[in-house]
Amino acid sequence: DTGVSQDPRHKITKRGQNVTFRCDPISEHNRLYWYRQTLGQGPEFLTYFQNEAQLEKSRLLSDRFSAERPKGSFSTLEIQRTEQGDSAMYLCASDLAGGPVIGELFFGEGSRLTVL
Amino acid sequence: RKEVEQDPGPFNVPEGATVAFNCTYSNSASQSFFWYRQDCRKEPKLLMSVYSSGNEDGRFTAQLNRASQYISLLIRDSKLSDSATYLCVVNWSNQGGKLIFGQGTELSVKP
Repeated sequence: DTGVSQDPRHKITKRGQNVTFRCDPISEHNRLYWYRQTLGQGPEFLTYFQNEAQLEKSRLLSDRFSAERPKGSFSTLEIQRTEQGDSAMYLCASDLAGGPVIGELFFGEGSRLTVL
Repeated sequence: RKEVEQDPGPFNVPEGATVAFNCTYSNSASQSFFWYRQDCRKEPKLLMSVYSSGNEDGRFTAQLNRASQYISLLIRDSKLSDSATYLCVVNWSNQGGKLIFGQGTELSVKP
């Protein structure tokens, strides 16, 4: 399967713990995005990278959240000192700048975080 | 005010019905527009782009009114398989990049 893959698919943690999610985009895609989705809401933009450069971060992304894409391939999203409000599905997506279909992001199946 | 607002759902319709979803966006500088579909417990997928002149893809018709900052999606002859959440999406660029999603409207098509 050459789609976007995310790991882990599910994570249950206690409040105050740190968690890290990994995303492997489609190999030829140079842009990678992180979104967060809660029940009944659409995906909420968190941050995105073009190659290894982080081009934009949402104001929603507090200093407890950090994302990296060190070699311009996979990315990690770390949440420090988790809070119950961090419980959500964390979606990763990728696309190719200048690709054939503008606006088509390819999403992974997501990493579901539950903070107890 | 949310950047992209959609009709609240859920919409419950019988098979064969025509259903319309509406969406408004707040940033008049938005450049490109899309409808995504998200099946239950699945990831969102692009359904169709929305062009200024309006566009059709089979039973689906999308329209854009830039003056009113309004986007619509019409589904004709609804099928059971159309049951999903439909997400209105805008982009501030015509080069792709960051997409802003509405909250989604849930559609349930019943036999």
